[in-house]
Amino acid sequence: GNSVTQMEGPVTLSEEAFLTINCTYTATGYPSLFWYVQYPGEGLQLLLKATKADDKGSNKGFEATYRKETTSFHLEKGSVQVSDSAVYFCALTGGYSSASKIIFGSGTRLSIRP
Amino acid sequence: DAGVIQSPRHEVTEMGQEVTLRCKPISGHNSLFWYRQTMMRGLELLIYFNNNVPIDDSGMPEDRFSAKMPNASFSTLKIQPSEPRDSAVYFCASSLDGLDTNYGYTFGSGTRLTVV
Repeated sequence: GNSVTQMEGPVTLSEEAFLTINCTYTATGYPSLFWYVQYPGEGLQLLLKATKADDKGSNKGFEATYRKETTSFHLEKGSVQVSDSAVYFCALTGGYSSASKIIFGSGTRLSIRP
Repeated sequence: DAGVIQSPRHEVTEMGQEVTLRCKPISGHNSLFWYRQTMMRGLELLIYFNNNVPIDDSGMPEDRFSAKMPNASFSTLKIQPSEPRDSAVYFCASSLDGLDTNYGYTFGSGTRLTVV
């Protein structure tokens, strides 16, 4: 079945550092890929998405490229801020199964030091 | 749009009591999902509805849990009787285009349930 694997946290960086959070997936067919962000005490918010191979999703300075050849959707940001501290979830849906629901990764906690 | 609205935000109850969590999805969304989030298990999908009909409740932990969606604008998740291991944050989410969404799910802010 479909699955998502993302890097273990927590990840701690200094402000203005470069961020990469790795995400790889297993799926049959052509899934859509998502990154969600969860700020403390809040629900998950859709951060960005990509629906086909080589698509790049971007939002708030974050970006991720759908790489079918490596089955990856790594999240990157060039210069992180303290306000980016949150838990980030990689997710996928779709593929060949028309009834497939979103599968979430286990989440990666990101902490940014001033 | 006000987004997905959940109530209450926090609930503290004694073991054995009935708990009812409420959700109002985004108007026009045709699918609704109930998730549970804990440190140990992460995000777990409990049940989802499509056009108010329960499609898959295989994630519901046991018979103490039940969910209903009497109309397109309201859903409830009930736990009776509640137990301390039910303590978690419960999220409701809705989707514009069903299960296999290209737009993602919109989540509510969650209900933090504590059973003592």
